[in-house]
This record gives sequence, C-alpha cells and structure tokens, in this order.
Amino acid sequence: TVLTQSPATLSVSPGERATLSCRASQSVKSDLAWYQQIPGQPPRLLFYEASTRATGIPARFSGSGSGTEFTLTINSLQSEDFAVYYCQEYNNGYTFGQGTKLEIK
Amino acid sequence: QVQLVQSGAEVKEPGASVKVSCKASGYIFTSYYIHWVRQAPGQGLEWMGRINRDNGGAIYAPEFQGRISMTKDTSLSTVYMQLSSLGSGDTAVYFCAREVRFGVGATDYWGQGTLVTVSS
Repeated sequence: TVLTQSPATLSVSPGERATLSCRASQSVKSDLAWYQQIPGQPPRLLFYEASTRATGIPARFSGSGSGTEFTLTINSLQSEDFAVYYCQEYNNGYTFGQGTKLEIK
Repeated sequence: QVQLVQSGAEVKEPGASVKVSCKASGYIFTSYYIHWVRQAPGQGLEWMGRINRDNGGAIYAPEFQGRISMTKDTSLSTVYMQLSSLGSGDTAVYFCAREVRFGVGATDYWGQGTLVTVSS
C-alpha cells in the first residue's frame, strides 16, 4: 500500500485551522495512525484506528476517514503544533506516508 | 511509566553489521509487540520490522529481508535489531516503538533513537 500525503508543505497562521490529507492506494479500512514529529524528537502518536485520540492529545486535534481517504484536522493552531505529520497504515503492512510539513505563515 | 531506552550511537564501516538494543520498562514486556523504524537525515519514517510479543517471531519489510534480524531477551526486557551489510544508505536514526495493544499496529511509546553512521 502506498500512502500519499498532501500537501507536502502547509503554511498556516497561528490560531487558524490546518487540514492534512492522507490517501491510500488501496483500502486500509480504519487501520490508520497519525504521528507528529518535531525535529530531533521521536514521533508522537496522535490517532490510531483513524479517529481514536491517543493519550494526552488535545481536543483541537481530530482524525477522520476510512477506506482510502483520511484527514487530520488541527483547530486553533498553537506554536507547538508546527511540525511534520505522518500517516501510517497497519492493515496491509506498516507503510508510512512521506509526511506533511506544517509551517508558520 | 513506560520507557524504551536505546543503546548509544554507532559508527560502522561499509559492509559491517550493527546491533541496536531497546530496553523496556514500566509495563509487562511480553504483552506488546515492538517495532523498529528508521529515519535517514532529513527524510521520512521507514518501517523496518516487528517482533512478536510472545514467541519472538518477527516480520520484516521486504527491503531488509536477508540482512535484518530482530531478537529479544525476555529476562532483560530488551529487544535487539541487527542490520548487516551496511551501506551509506543505512546512515539513519533507528527507533524502537511499542504497539498500542495487540491488534492495533500503531505505536504509542518510542525510544529516543540511535544514530547509526556508516562511513569509511
């Protein structure tokens, strides 16, 4: 399965909403996770099963989708949210998307 | 608290092997699968393989088949990843990570990462 994330880079102002996309080349049902990675740190799990929020993740983050189309939405962007975001499927293997860099506009 | 602590940075020559360890604490070691993921400098995440929670069996990404081995020592709560025939393309930070729970392949706890540099 190939995961394609879009856009590659997203520029958004603090306080606004960011919408990140992850498309799978074949259905992965709901077996999809989202991670946030700040440079120099290991990835941090945000969501699994497409929409189940991991422990300690703020409510401004939401995950949705199933099958081949998935979305990560971040409302009211905070300074600490600017990072790289990866999706990963675990239905047909454990493939990662190439990542979306969320940068300050 | 759950912790995964990895071994320190390594510098290897081309053609050599490297073995990275990942010591777990704060949970029942035999209840969770452990994955290995790597990240080349400035690049994305690449899944390498997973070792089972019980019998120590493992599955590997096709790209690493034949030169990767994952093992564990339950008495030490430690998992090992060995990669052989190293080339410059294997220079990366290597992470171990624990699955959320059986049947969910996402990983919620990660080691700090081990930098492996392949250079002559």
